[in-house]
Amino acid sequence: DSGVTQTPKHLITATGQRVTLRCSPRSGDLSVYWYQQSLDQGLQFLIHYYNGEERAKGNILERFSAQQFPDLHSELNLSSLELGDSALYFCASSVFLGGETQYFGPGTRLLVL
Amino acid sequence: GESVGLHLPTLSVQEGDNSIINCAYSNSASDYFIWYKQESGKGPQFIIDIRSNMDKRQGQRVTVLLNKTVKHLSLQIAATQPGDSAVYFCAEYKAGTYKYIFGTGTRLKVLA
Repeated sequence: DSGVTQTPKHLITATGQRVTLRCSPRSGDLSVYWYQQSLDQGLQFLIHYYNGEERAKGNILERFSAQQFPDLHSELNLSSLELGDSALYFCASSVFLGGETQYFGPGTRLLVL
Repeated sequence: GESVGLHLPTLSVQEGDNSIINCAYSNSASDYFIWYKQESGKGPQFIIDIRSNMDKRQGQRVTVLLNKTVKHLSLQIAATQPGDSAVYFCAEYKAGTYKYIFGTGTRLKVLA
């Protein structure tokens, strides 16, 4: 158990819908990172928040957004969902801004029908 | 675009043999590297890391080697066990970018 929690574990929804994925970092970690992993693919970096502020963006679609709250948990919002958005979504946390061990949550499996 | 590593290959090894998983990284200025293990349906699990001021680092049954001249990273697993079967990812980090770049991974299959 990494100490990073993600909810829900599974999510099934329809095209055009909007969903919210939630991540709670390890106690004391200030950074949260979001990744997307499609079938048998690597981890695509989406976005990084540190202590409530966005610090880096990857190839995140405009339909996707995220935020980190004062209690340091983070939410990833996916809207106008398409079939191709079906994937595993992971969050990871680290203590500071980066260049250190990153711990991953168990992921949320999203299926868009 | 940014990339680390190879397209997902598969490495098959006999139980008890040593495994070597390779990774090519793209940014010569990267200063921190991590190896992760991902079992089916689970999140990546940290194995070992190394900073760019080191060439080698050892953990329990694992060793990471860093060759900055050719931008190459390798993970050596000694006495490979069935529980080592998984996909292994390398990741790189460059100070100031605030993001980690992951490779596509290598699938390790341990044969009994």
